[in-house]
Amino acid sequence: DAGVIQSPRHEVTEMGQEVTLRCKPISGHNSLFWYRQTMMRGLELLIYFNNNVPIDDSGMPEDRFSAKMPNASFSTLKIQPSEPRDSAVYFCASSLQGFGQYFGPGTRLTVT
Amino acid sequence: QKEVEQNSGPLSVPEGAIASLNCTYSDRGSQSFFWYRQYSGKSPELIMFIYSNGDKEDGRFTAQLNKASQYVSLLIRDSQPSDSATYLCAVDTGRRALTFGSGTRLQVQP
Repeated sequence: DAGVIQSPRHEVTEMGQEVTLRCKPISGHNSLFWYRQTMMRGLELLIYFNNNVPIDDSGMPEDRFSAKMPNASFSTLKIQPSEPRDSAVYFCASSLQGFGQYFGPGTRLTVT
Repeated sequence: QKEVEQNSGPLSVPEGAIASLNCTYSDRGSQSFFWYRQYSGKSPELIMFIYSNGDKEDGRFTAQLNKASQYVSLLIRDSQPSDSATYLCAVDTGRRALTFGSGTRLQVQP
Protein backbone atom coordinates (compact mmCIF):
# COMPACT_ATOMS: atom_id res chain seq x y z
CA ASP A 1 0.00 0.00 0.00
CA ALA A 2 1.15 3.53 -0.67
CA GLY A 3 2.09 5.58 2.33
CA VAL A 4 1.42 9.25 2.84
CA ILE A 5 2.24 11.17 -0.32
CA GLN A 6 3.49 14.75 -0.27
CA SER A 7 4.30 17.15 -3.05
CA PRO A 8 6.47 18.87 -3.94
CA ARG A 9 9.45 17.24 -2.21
CA HIS A 10 11.49 20.41 -2.50
CA GLU A 11 10.35 23.99 -2.98
CA VAL A 12 12.52 27.05 -3.36
CA THR A 13 10.72 30.35 -3.57
CA GLU A 14 11.30 34.04 -3.06
CA MET A 15 10.01 35.99 -0.11
CA GLY A 16 6.50 37.23 -0.70
CA GLN A 17 5.46 34.41 -2.98
CA GLU A 18 2.61 32.02 -2.28
CA VAL A 19 3.53 28.43 -1.44
CA THR A 20 1.14 25.48 -1.54
CA LEU A 21 2.07 22.13 -0.09
CA ARG A 22 -0.01 19.06 -0.84
CA CYS A 23 -0.72 15.84 0.98
CA LYS A 24 -2.55 12.60 0.23
CA PRO A 25 -3.11 10.57 3.41
CA ILE A 26 -3.15 6.80 3.66
CA SER A 27 -6.47 5.47 2.40
CA GLY A 28 -8.87 4.78 5.26
CA HIS A 29 -7.12 7.00 7.78
CA ASN A 30 -9.45 9.54 9.36
CA SER A 31 -6.98 11.98 10.93
CA LEU A 32 -4.46 14.18 9.16
CA PHE A 33 -1.70 16.28 10.69
CA TRP A 34 0.60 19.00 9.40
CA TYR A 35 3.96 19.45 11.16
CA ARG A 36 6.94 21.72 10.68
CA GLN A 37 10.46 20.69 11.69
CA THR A 38 13.51 22.89 12.19
CA MET A 39 16.76 22.36 14.03
CA MET A 40 15.92 25.11 16.48
CA ARG A 41 12.31 24.23 17.30
CA GLY A 42 12.12 20.53 16.55
CA LEU A 43 8.86 18.99 15.38
CA GLU A 44 5.90 21.35 15.75
CA LEU A 45 2.26 20.48 15.16
CA LEU A 46 0.63 23.14 13.00
CA ILE A 47 -2.90 21.80 12.54
CA TYR A 48 -4.81 18.57 12.50
CA PHE A 49 -8.04 17.38 10.95
CA ASN A 50 -10.37 14.62 12.04
CA ASN A 51 -12.82 13.37 9.41
CA ASN A 52 -11.86 16.37 7.22
CA VAL A 53 -12.77 18.88 9.95
CA PRO A 54 -10.04 21.09 11.49
CA ILE A 55 -9.83 20.23 15.18
CA ASP A 56 -6.89 22.23 16.46
CA ASP A 57 -5.10 24.97 14.52
CA SER A 58 -3.46 26.58 17.54
CA GLY A 59 -0.03 25.70 16.16
CA MET A 60 -0.46 27.70 12.98
CA PRO A 61 2.09 30.50 13.36
CA GLU A 62 0.01 33.35 11.99
CA ASP A 63 -2.61 34.30 9.48
CA ARG A 64 -0.19 33.80 6.61
CA PHE A 65 -0.71 30.07 7.09
CA SER A 66 -3.90 28.29 6.11
CA ALA A 67 -4.85 24.64 5.65
CA LYS A 68 -7.73 22.89 3.99
CA MET A 69 -8.97 19.35 3.67
CA PRO A 70 -11.71 19.34 1.03
CA ASN A 71 -12.04 15.55 1.10
CA ALA A 72 -10.67 12.48 2.83
CA SER A 73 -7.86 11.98 0.33
CA PHE A 74 -6.38 15.45 -0.03
CA SER A 75 -5.12 18.35 2.06
CA THR A 76 -3.20 21.53 1.38
CA LEU A 77 -1.10 23.85 3.50
CA LYS A 78 -0.72 27.31 2.06
CA ILE A 79 1.67 30.09 3.07
CA GLN A 80 0.90 33.54 1.67
CA PRO A 81 3.07 35.59 1.66
CA SER A 82 6.08 33.41 2.45
CA GLU A 83 9.00 34.69 4.54
CA PRO A 84 12.57 33.38 5.02
CA ARG A 85 11.71 32.25 8.56
CA ASP A 86 9.20 29.81 7.08
CA SER A 87 12.08 27.75 5.71
CA ALA A 88 11.73 24.27 7.23
CA VAL A 89 10.71 20.73 6.43
CA TYR A 90 6.95 20.33 6.42
CA PHE A 91 5.55 16.90 7.16
CA CYS A 92 2.08 15.57 6.68
CA ALA A 93 1.01 12.54 8.74
CA SER A 94 -2.15 10.47 8.91
CA SER A 95 -3.60 8.03 11.39
CA LEU A 96 -6.62 5.87 12.04
CA GLN A 97 -8.60 6.78 15.15
CA GLY A 98 -5.67 8.68 16.62
CA PHE A 99 -3.32 5.72 16.90
CA GLY A 100 0.14 5.68 15.43
CA GLN A 101 0.68 8.54 13.03
CA TYR A 102 2.41 7.69 9.76
CA PHE A 103 4.51 10.41 8.21
CA GLY A 104 5.00 11.38 4.60
CA PRO A 105 8.47 12.07 3.16
CA GLY A 106 8.17 15.79 3.81
CA THR A 107 8.55 18.95 1.75
CA ARG A 108 11.76 20.90 2.21
CA LEU A 109 10.85 24.56 1.82
CA THR A 110 13.46 27.24 1.28
CA VAL A 111 12.36 30.86 1.15
CA THR A 112 15.03 33.27 -0.06
CA GLN B 1 8.15 22.04 32.22
CA LYS B 2 7.99 20.47 28.80
CA GLU B 3 5.16 18.01 28.26
CA VAL B 4 7.53 15.35 26.92
CA GLU B 5 11.20 15.40 27.85
CA GLN B 6 14.10 13.51 26.36
CA ASN B 7 17.83 13.84 26.75
CA SER B 8 19.09 15.27 23.46
CA GLY B 9 22.26 13.17 23.55
CA PRO B 10 24.17 12.11 21.65
CA LEU B 11 24.02 8.71 23.30
CA SER B 12 27.00 6.73 22.11
CA VAL B 13 27.11 2.93 22.47
CA PRO B 14 29.41 0.30 20.95
CA GLU B 15 28.07 -2.12 18.37
CA GLY B 16 26.40 -5.10 20.02
CA ALA B 17 25.57 -3.25 23.25
CA ILE B 18 22.14 -2.36 24.61
CA ALA B 19 21.02 1.21 23.97
CA SER B 20 18.60 2.66 26.51
CA LEU B 21 16.54 5.69 25.53
CA ASN B 22 14.40 7.44 28.10
CA CYS B 23 11.42 9.75 28.07
CA THR B 24 9.32 11.40 30.78
CA TYR B 25 5.93 13.05 30.37
CA SER B 26 3.96 15.46 32.48
CA ASP B 27 0.29 14.65 31.75
CA ARG B 28 -0.89 11.83 34.04
CA GLY B 29 -3.87 11.34 31.76
CA SER B 30 -1.68 10.23 28.88
CA GLN B 31 -2.99 7.06 27.38
CA SER B 32 -0.62 5.77 24.75
CA PHE B 33 3.03 6.14 23.94
CA PHE B 34 4.99 5.87 20.73
CA TRP B 35 8.60 5.67 19.65
CA TYR B 36 9.68 7.03 16.28
CA ARG B 37 13.05 6.70 14.57
CA GLN B 38 14.24 9.49 12.30
CA TYR B 39 17.28 9.14 10.12
CA SER B 40 19.00 12.34 9.06
CA GLY B 41 17.11 13.94 6.18
CA LYS B 42 14.21 11.49 6.44
CA SER B 43 10.77 11.51 8.01
CA PRO B 44 9.91 10.01 11.42
CA GLU B 45 9.12 6.29 11.26
CA LEU B 46 6.89 4.59 13.82
CA ILE B 47 8.77 1.67 15.41
CA MET B 48 6.97 0.88 18.68
CA PHE B 49 3.86 1.75 20.63
CA ILE B 50 2.76 0.79 24.13
CA TYR B 51 -0.45 1.38 26.04
CA SER B 52 -0.15 -0.68 29.23
CA ASN B 53 2.33 -0.71 32.08
CA GLY B 54 5.17 -3.16 31.63
CA ASP B 55 7.29 -4.29 28.73
CA LYS B 56 6.48 -4.84 25.09
CA GLU B 57 9.00 -6.59 22.87
CA ASP B 58 9.34 -6.51 19.09
CA GLY B 59 12.49 -8.08 17.73
CA ARG B 60 15.50 -6.21 19.10
CA PHE B 61 13.28 -3.43 20.49
CA THR B 62 11.62 -3.36 23.91
CA ALA B 63 9.37 -0.54 25.05
CA GLN B 64 8.86 -0.11 28.79
CA LEU B 65 6.11 1.93 30.41
CA ASN B 66 5.70 3.00 34.03
CA LYS B 67 2.65 5.24 34.36
CA ALA B 68 3.16 5.79 38.09
CA SER B 69 6.56 7.31 37.40
CA GLN B 70 5.41 8.88 34.11
CA TYR B 71 8.31 7.26 32.36
CA VAL B 72 8.67 5.40 29.09
CA SER B 73 11.82 3.90 27.65
CA LEU B 74 13.07 2.11 24.56
CA LEU B 75 15.74 -0.56 24.73
CA ILE B 76 17.60 -1.62 21.61
CA ARG B 77 19.46 -4.90 22.01
CA ASP B 78 22.47 -5.85 19.91
CA SER B 79 22.78 -2.28 18.62
CA GLN B 80 23.92 -1.92 15.03
CA PRO B 81 25.48 1.07 13.26
CA SER B 82 22.27 1.18 11.20
CA ASP B 83 20.40 2.03 14.41
CA SER B 84 22.19 5.38 14.52
CA ALA B 85 19.40 7.93 14.27
CA THR B 86 17.32 10.31 16.35
CA TYR B 87 14.63 8.61 18.43
CA LEU B 88 11.49 10.61 19.18
CA CYS B 89 9.15 9.81 22.04
CA ALA B 90 5.50 10.78 21.45
CA VAL B 91 2.61 10.81 23.89
CA ASP B 92 -1.12 10.75 23.26
CA THR B 93 -2.80 12.71 26.04
CA GLY B 94 -6.26 11.93 24.72
CA ARG B 95 -6.55 15.15 22.79
CA ARG B 96 -5.97 13.17 19.56
CA ALA B 97 -2.75 14.89 18.49
CA LEU B 98 0.54 13.43 19.67
CA THR B 99 2.98 15.51 21.69
CA PHE B 100 6.55 14.84 20.62
CA GLY B 101 9.74 15.13 22.60
CA SER B 102 12.75 16.82 21.05
CA GLY B 103 14.45 13.48 20.41
CA THR B 104 17.61 11.66 21.48
CA ARG B 105 20.39 11.20 18.98
CA LEU B 106 21.86 7.69 19.13
CA GLN B 107 25.28 6.86 17.75
CA VAL B 108 26.31 3.21 17.50
CA GLN B 109 30.07 2.91 17.14
CA PRO B 110 31.35 0.04 14.94
